[in-house]
Amino acid sequence: QVQLVQSGSELKKPGASVKVSCKASGYTFSTYPINWVRQAPGQGLEWMGWINTKTGNPTYAQGFTGRFVFSLDTSVSTAYLQISSLKADDTAVYYCARLNGGVCCQFDPWGQGTLVTVSS
Amino acid sequence: QSVLTQPPSVSAAPGQRVTISCSGSSSNIGNNYVSWFQQLPGTAPKLLIYENNKRPSGIPDRFSGSKSGTSATLGITGLQTGDEADYYCGTWDSSLSAGVFGGGTKLTVL
Repeated sequence: QVQLVQSGSELKKPGASVKVSCKASGYTFSTYPINWVRQAPGQGLEWMGWINTKTGNPTYAQGFTGRFVFSLDTSVSTAYLQISSLKADDTAVYYCARLNGGVCCQFDPWGQGTLVTVSS
Repeated sequence: QSVLTQPPSVSAAPGQRVTISCSGSSSNIGNNYVSWFQQLPGTAPKLLIYENNKRPSGIPDRFSGSKSGTSATLGITGLQTGDEADYYCGTWDSSLSAGVFGGGTKLTVL
């Protein structure tokens, strides 16, 4: 079946970096873009941007430029989110989601989420 | 402050019908498709409705979506305790060139 499986929870210190993976299976990876969504503790969903899985070209939402990098390894059907210079308010669950059509927001399926905790 | 406005909470009794509204503007809902997501406690969001009113396979017809102008509505009939969740609307905002979500609505089935 079509699924996205993300890497496990991370505990990082402020200033460190983290790389979250999102492995796709059950479909041709390059056919559908991957979007990234953040959910801070007790908060709503926030769209971070997306990556074109054919070209590798990323697009970042305002507020997610500079320290956030989307990348791919198409040989293993995996998308990555790297966050550098981590701050306490980066603490959140990060989701990847497949975009099934259009520009937004037919996201299906979603990964199970990766909790990134930033604490000294 | 979310670009799309949803009520923070709604409630209804089992078996009843509830609607959840999502209000936006011409740059988002008014000119783009709306999706709805269900997020059960401690789980990832799940797509319930896409392109305003279409259901992915496996989503029961108790869930419906509609759009009028710059507002969208999610309807749930035959409420079950298992429907207790947070519900989010989402769409593209052409002015922001970004995906946008509502702040979420917590559904309580009394």
